Amino acid sequence: GAGVSQSPSNKVTEKGKDVELRCDPISGHTALYWYRQSLGQGLEFLIYFQGNSAPDKSGLPSDRFSAERTGGSVSTLTIQRTQQEDSAVYLCASSLVVAGGAGKDEAFFGQGTRLTVV
Amino acid sequence: DAKTTQPNSMESNEEEPVHLPCNHSTISGTDYIHWYRQLPSQGPEYVIHGLTSNVNNRMASLAIAEDRKSSTLILHRATLRDAAVYYCILRPYYGGSQGNLIFGKGTKLSVKP
Repeated sequence: GAGVSQSPSNKVTEKGKDVELRCDPISGHTALYWYRQSLGQGLEFLIYFQGNSAPDKSGLPSDRFSAERTGGSVSTLTIQRTQQEDSAVYLCASSLVVAGGAGKDEAFFGQGTRLTVV
Repeated sequence: DAKTTQPNSMESNEEEPVHLPCNHSTISGTDYIHWYRQLPSQGPEYVIHGLTSNVNNRMASLAIAEDRKSSTLILHRATLRDAAVYYCILRPYYGGSQGNLIFGKGTKLSVKP
């Protein structure tokens, strides 16, 4: 079956340019998460969408970062005026949140977008 | 948010059991304990989760202390494929659904043949 799909898989951009990263979650999944992972580091939470609730944006590192989720499905992470420190792998995950569902809510991850800012 | 503490790294021999500890002394009553792992060059994958009772699945077992302030992920027979970073995560559960999924630094497990 289809998993979480991210595009592009690799992106090289010049410093100062804007980039858009796309995430197609598993169909029907109500929760969507964005993370970034710098080389050799752990996962840094960026933003969390859950159904119709206001997204948790507490992890966005600056106002250059924004994300939206249209129609409760596809999500786009936008980085404006990219900097070299934005270079990382950006990971997206989705999960089916089942009310009263014994707390599992397993998150499935995409393969990520490797962003390189030169 | 409640935090977890894990050793930075551990080593194991192939075919032997591995016990990966996690301390979470500030856990609240509505926090579930989740474990994920990240194999090299891949996204994380779910391993197991629990609330109060010990849990078993095809991948691992989760032993939860009676006071819930610590837990241990048990791999019964480590294989080379189990070499990964293992993350212990507390997820709040409220309003009938899970909260956010925040990763810490995890434990890097090395498996020697």
